[in-house]
Amino acid sequence: AQKVTQAQTEISVVEKEDVTLDCVYETRDTTYYLFWYKQPPSGELVFLIRRNSFDEQNEISGRYSWNFQKSTSSFNFTITASQVVDSAVYFCALSEAGRGNNNDMRFGAGTRLTVKP
Amino acid sequence: DVKVTQSSRYLVKRTGEKVFLECVQDMDHENMFWYRQDPGLGLRLIYFSYDVKMKEKGDIPEGYSVSREKKERFSLILESASTNQTSMYLCASSLSVNSQETQYFGPGTRLLVL
Repeated sequence: AQKVTQAQTEISVVEKEDVTLDCVYETRDTTYYLFWYKQPPSGELVFLIRRNSFDEQNEISGRYSWNFQKSTSSFNFTITASQVVDSAVYFCALSEAGRGNNNDMRFGAGTRLTVKP
Repeated sequence: DVKVTQSSRYLVKRTGEKVFLECVQDMDHENMFWYRQDPGLGLRLIYFSYDVKMKEKGDIPEGYSVSREKKERFSLILESASTNQTSMYLCASSLSVNSQETQYFGPGTRLLVL
């Protein structure tokens, strides 16, 4: 079963628009961790944020913000006033504590964001 | 900063060739991972290792093997490359086996098998 769903395959916006990338996850664990990564055209995945299942407080980092809602099993990512440099593929990932002695992640399929000037 | 490096950014091989992909991390991390990335499928785990000489299969280990002789180095081996192994291969490492640990990724190797 798909553990992490990123329903938006591709999104295109014009610079300075706000954009939200959706992430819905599925787990039976009470302790788990959610991550967002950015993959620019260079290919390397860049870590953006980690959130544990006990902390539902929303987080803001500059133009980036994350909305974690356990009630809907969602961990959405919003970019405010988007810029061309935000163009990338963004991945949401889940790591479950109940998977034993490892921390392998389950990744969504990714959302390709294109920001046009 | 964590640094994960991969031996090649681009690789072209022929069907049936033996292929080695090398990954090195410089932060004394315990865990290392190999993923492949394909459009529409995200990242899928091939193998991971939680210690020297230890390895565990991921979701898609068929056609691959791995080697971890030193803590900092994790190799992915395609014993006999096939065209369906054309993909982007990503290596990652994390500090420990705890599920909370962030994985740090290398730049990836784009492999084309002809």
